Amino acid sequence: GAGVSQSPSNKVTEKGKDVELRCDPISGHTALYWYRQSLGQGLEFLIYFQGNSAPDKSGLPSDRFSAERTGGSVSTLTIQRTQQEDSAVYLCASSSLDTTGELFFGEGSRLTVL
Amino acid sequence: AQSVTQLDSQVPVFEEAPVELRCNYSSSVSVYLFWYVQYPNQGLQLLLKYLSGSTLVKGINGFEAEFNKSQTSFHLRKPSVHISDTAEYFCAVNGDYKLSFGAGTTVTVRA
Repeated sequence: GAGVSQSPSNKVTEKGKDVELRCDPISGHTALYWYRQSLGQGLEFLIYFQGNSAPDKSGLPSDRFSAERTGGSVSTLTIQRTQQEDSAVYLCASSSLDTTGELFFGEGSRLTVL
Repeated sequence: AQSVTQLDSQVPVFEEAPVELRCNYSSSVSVYLFWYVQYPNQGLQLLLKYLSGSTLVKGINGFEAEFNKSQTSFHLRKPSVHISDTAEYFCAVNGDYKLSFGAGTTVTVRA
């Protein structure tokens, strides 16, 4: 597609359940990022994928969070045993080497944990 | 490592008045600087970016920003705002491979 696509756009879940959020980056973009945006806060870096290199997982807040990227394209962010503090908008972005640091963002997946 | 500080969390402004959003950054390496805008219930979109060259950068919707290396600042300005400029604005710095964002500034434009 023309832009970064994320699904679902909204997800309501119960505390303790697992959730999966999907990101389809711009075709040809080798880099993919996940950020978290909590109410009243900025964007928190979670994880970065670049080609076939090992991902930078330094921003993942706990071992309940994991992400994978299959075939260098689509990525899935998984949150296990969700907690109420996980409620946030999860943003995916992609970029390529010739975009000089600019990231292109999807519209986000809003997660609400009850 | 790099970081960004947006000095104002909320900026109320009247329509057709000027606005300035302040951003300071810290980095140990040369950086690229960005301003992104997030309209209500939408994703982030790029307003403008500084890579190199002229320190005055013009972006979309009449916004501009000035890079000041000595003051490590990248303030965003618009001489006359519209109601449609109501949004959250994020300053970001890229010194390695990922963007580090400020906490955001909410601009509310009133008639």
